Order: sequence, then C-alpha cells, then structure tokens
Amino acid sequence: DAGITQSPRHKVTETGTPVTLRCHQTENHRYMYWYRQDPGHGLRLIHYSYGVKDTDKGEVSDGYSVSRSKTEDFLLTLESATSSQTSVYFCAIRTGAKSNTGELFFGEGSRLTVL
Amino acid sequence: AQRVTQPEKLLSVFKGAPVELKCNYSYSGSPELFWYVQYSRQRLQLLLRHISRESIKGFTADLNKGETSFHLKKPFAQEEDSAMYYCALLYNNNDMRFGAGTRLTVKP
Repeated sequence: DAGITQSPRHKVTETGTPVTLRCHQTENHRYMYWYRQDPGHGLRLIHYSYGVKDTDKGEVSDGYSVSRSKTEDFLLTLESATSSQTSVYFCAIRTGAKSNTGELFFGEGSRLTVL
Repeated sequence: AQRVTQPEKLLSVFKGAPVELKCNYSYSGSPELFWYVQYSRQRLQLLLRHISRESIKGFTADLNKGETSFHLKKPFAQEEDSAMYYCALLYNNNDMRFGAGTRLTVKP
C-alpha cells in the first residue's frame, strides 16, 4: 500500500476563514493531486504537483492555492473559505512514472463544511 | 476541451444480469483511460486501465476510438459490485480528469 494520509479528516469552519488541508505521503512519489468530490459532479481536479515547487492548475482552481515545499507534503489552502467550498477533498499520489502506469492511489478524504 | 462523460448517474440491475456502465471522452490526442471504483466506506481505487487489456473482478472495458468510448461491462453482476464507478482520462501525461460517476446498485 502506498502510504498517504490526509489531515484533518473533518473540519467545520466559518465563511471567510483560511483553511489548510495537508496531504502526506511516505513513498517519494513525484505526482500528487487534489480533487474535490461533489454529488453530480464527481471528482474535479483542483491542482496537481509534478515535483517540489512544481504545481499546476486543474479545472476548478479558483479560490484555492497549493504548495509543495518537500516531496512528501502537498498542502491545499483556501485563503478565504466560502460555502461553495463545502465538499469532500481527496488527495492522490501517482504510483507510476510512465503514462501507462498512471494509477492514482487516493487518501481517505477530508470532509470540509463551511458555514 | 478534454472531457469525460458518464451519462448515467444511477444504474440498477438484478444479480446475475449483465451490466454496462457508459463512458465517453473527448480528447484530440492518444487517450489513457481508466475505471475507478469506490465501495461504501472505502477509498477510491483503480479497477482497470485500458492499456492493460485486463479483466478485474469479471469487468472488462474496451477502448473504441471511433466512438470515443470506454464502456465498462460485466456479464453477470454480483451484489458486491454495488458501488460508485468513475471513468478517468489521463492526458498530457499529467492531468487526470474524472467523469461525474455512476452509482451501480445490484439487487438480489
């Protein structure tokens, strides 16, 4: 099993407050991803990283920023949380370097509620 | 734009019946396609990938470039197949996009 943990697993916050979700891996994989999961929308990519300090936007990046200062940690930050950001957030690591082994291994998810 | 479409949000079949979960994609390059599954209270996990041409838990999926489809099929559904299924497209070797998902229920 690829070691991946997300924290916090549950968080309730108020509109306008900053929130940071952490994704930690233990196996030195290059690629890491942040998704949000919403009913009717499935999984939507927020940001991804292809190395330390190398990140790129996904399809729903507005209102989110990320940082990857070391290989094992990929942080997702909501600078000023809004109710539309209430969701379940999943981190994933890509467990193969080549395109034909592009399997993602997912964390258990972080449920965020913005009141 | 790159897109993955799963037209059915919900699909319900009886045990032993065939099941097909539809997936269509739009991508101008050579697609890398996957099916992921999420069982109740478990992590999302890879079910199969097109390039391996494998059969996992009795499921198969064939890439049809002419129809831009990658439908998931199983000839005889089992109750333990009840789950959320996502089709996914990897493009530009970096970006993995998912469809909206299909919730499959297999009734006894």
